[in-house]
Amino acid sequence: DTEVTQTPKHLVMGMTNKKSLKCEQHMGHRAMYWYKQKAKKPPELMFVYSYEKLSINESVPSRFSPECPNSSLLNLHLHALQPEDSALYLCASSLYLGRANTGELFFGEGSRLTVL
Amino acid sequence: AQSVTQLDSHVSVSEGTPVLLRCNYSSSYSPSLFWYVQHPNKGLQLLLKYTSAATLVKGINGFEAEFKKSETSFHLTKPSAHMSDAAEYFCVVSEIINTGTASKLTFGTGTRLQVTL
Repeated sequence: DTEVTQTPKHLVMGMTNKKSLKCEQHMGHRAMYWYKQKAKKPPELMFVYSYEKLSINESVPSRFSPECPNSSLLNLHLHALQPEDSALYLCASSLYLGRANTGELFFGEGSRLTVL
Repeated sequence: AQSVTQLDSHVSVSEGTPVLLRCNYSSSYSPSLFWYVQHPNKGLQLLLKYTSAATLVKGINGFEAEFKKSETSFHLTKPSAHMSDAAEYFCVVSEIINTGTASKLTFGTGTRLQVTL
């Protein structure tokens, strides 16, 4: 299994809703990531989890709340979002190879979020 | 700090003609460099990677890239474009973080490749 699976593929929510994005991988990767991608822009890093611990938060607003329940799962909880948060949210994972770590990330297909 | 610059935001080629997408990098040490491709409404797929082994790197779908340290370049090429190559291409430099357990990617701004008949 060489996939990163994201659900749902599409999500429409109002500004008062609470929803979650889910990401799953079964490649034994111990680092997982959330990226945000606006139209016609490169992805921007949001969060990095390493061995189920949050190691990087790129100053993301608290209305985005990540969670890593185990080494295969990564969630992004959404609450009180704004219309400008509409974007493609990409999950990724990477394999730790010690000194041979090439830094390669494996990306999911993304969850396209629309905030009304 | 590491950075990458993609020199063209948009490249248009005819089907069957060569493709050249240009990328320059800046890094204080020997970098790991990647090209990722993103088709419309899809995630990112790794095309190829350079990790200080051979300077000419072969990837999927007939793409190649050559690492040139003297020019700080990592240009992506393909001898003959196909309609299915139309997509957004990102040049990426990677920094190993967290004592090696994770990576931080720095993306270029992307190059949109258009392939015409």
